[in-house]
Amino acid sequence: IAGITQAPTSQILAAGRRMTLRCTQDMRHNAMYWYRQDLGLGLRLIHYSNTAGTTGKGEVPDGYSVSRANTDDFPLTLASAVPSQTSVYFCASSTGTSGREVGEQFFGPGTRLTVL
Amino acid sequence: GENVEQHPSTLSVQEGDSAVIKCTYSDSASNYFPWYKQELGKRPQLIIDIRSNVGEKKDQRIAVTLNKTAKHFSLHITETQPEDSAVYFCAARPLWGGKLIFGQGTELSVKP
Repeated sequence: IAGITQAPTSQILAAGRRMTLRCTQDMRHNAMYWYRQDLGLGLRLIHYSNTAGTTGKGEVPDGYSVSRANTDDFPLTLASAVPSQTSVYFCASSTGTSGREVGEQFFGPGTRLTVL
Repeated sequence: GENVEQHPSTLSVQEGDSAVIKCTYSDSASNYFPWYKQELGKRPQLIIDIRSNVGEKKDQRIAVTLNKTAKHFSLHITETQPEDSAVYFCAARPLWGGKLIFGQGTELSVKP
């Protein structure tokens, strides 16, 4: 693994199903983030984690949950998918955490999710 | 809450012309302002950033200016080339932690 990866690349999902998007980084970055990208709305923060064991809510957290059991992995779960969650999801990571200078934010390749 | 407004949403220029994209932010605590370029179907990638202790930063054909009093910052691309065609995002955040808030994006098209 080099950098930050996401899986799956794309997924079509029936409404009401549970889905977990995976994100893994090998840069030993403390901070990780999940964004959704929708046309005309830019990148909106869903959830973030400043360090392993902690998470926080972003701009649009409803319907999503995250966990950060270790430094490398930051999965995003949709407990019961709805069509409005159709989007491209990007995971990102950066060095630093609250109280320390935060470095460049690197993005994963994205997951295209369609909820029917 | 924190907000970043970006204009224009689309921009079309002739090859060789300059392009300017402008952003305003609401959070006075913001002092780190990166710009990302996203090519079609790809991930956003950092192209330049500026911190509030400087007013301008250049990197070859790209420059960013910051007016902290007015809470706005701009991206300038000179001598545009077709490969500059992409969506550009501005963002703002406090340097010491905090969440990166993105603008809505500008789709730049450079016509040969």
